[in-house]
Amino acid sequence: GDSVTQMEGPVTLSEEAFLTINCTYTATGYPSLFWYVQYPGEGLQLLLKATKADDKGSNKGFEATYRKETTSFHLEKGSVQVSDSAVYFCALSDYGGGNKLTFGTGTQLKVEL
Amino acid sequence: GAGVSQSPSNKVTEKGKDVELRCDPISGHTALYWYRQSLGQGLEFLIYFQGNSAPDKSGLPSDRFSAERTGGSVSTLTIQRTQQEDSAVYLCASSSYRGVSEKLFFGSGTQLSVL
Repeated sequence: GDSVTQMEGPVTLSEEAFLTINCTYTATGYPSLFWYVQYPGEGLQLLLKATKADDKGSNKGFEATYRKETTSFHLEKGSVQVSDSAVYFCALSDYGGGNKLTFGTGTQLKVEL
Repeated sequence: GAGVSQSPSNKVTEKGKDVELRCDPISGHTALYWYRQSLGQGLEFLIYFQGNSAPDKSGLPSDRFSAERTGGSVSTLTIQRTQQEDSAVYLCASSSYRGVSEKLFFGSGTQLSVL
């Protein structure tokens, strides 16, 4: 079945540091890939997505590239801010799944001054 | 409303009692999902509705869990004879289903605590 593996947290960075959160997936078909973010006290919201190989999703300075050859969708940001502190979830949805999302376990990011 | 609404936001119950959790999706969204978020466990899929039917119930952990959706809108997740391991945040999401790349809109969840 489908699965998503992402790096465990918490990840603690200083402001303006470079961020990478690794995500790899297993899927039977050609899934769409997503990063969702959960800010403290708020609900999950979509951060970015990519629907086919070599697509790059981007939003709020975050980027992730759909790499079919390595089955990866790593999240990156060049310079993090304190306001980026949140839990980040990698997810996929696959044909036949009714748009059901399969999530990774989440990675907590803490950004300090 | 503008977003997905869930109630109650918090529920404390005694082991063995039944609970009902409610989800009011975004108007016009035909697809509705229930997930469970446990500490350190990530998000676990429970059930998916398309309209009033549930083509995928594969995530319901036991026959104590059931869900229904009426009028293509509001959904209720019922947990019978609650156990302590049922303690979690129950999240509802909806989408205007157009395909696998459609984003889901999540509610703020119901925090369930079983004592």
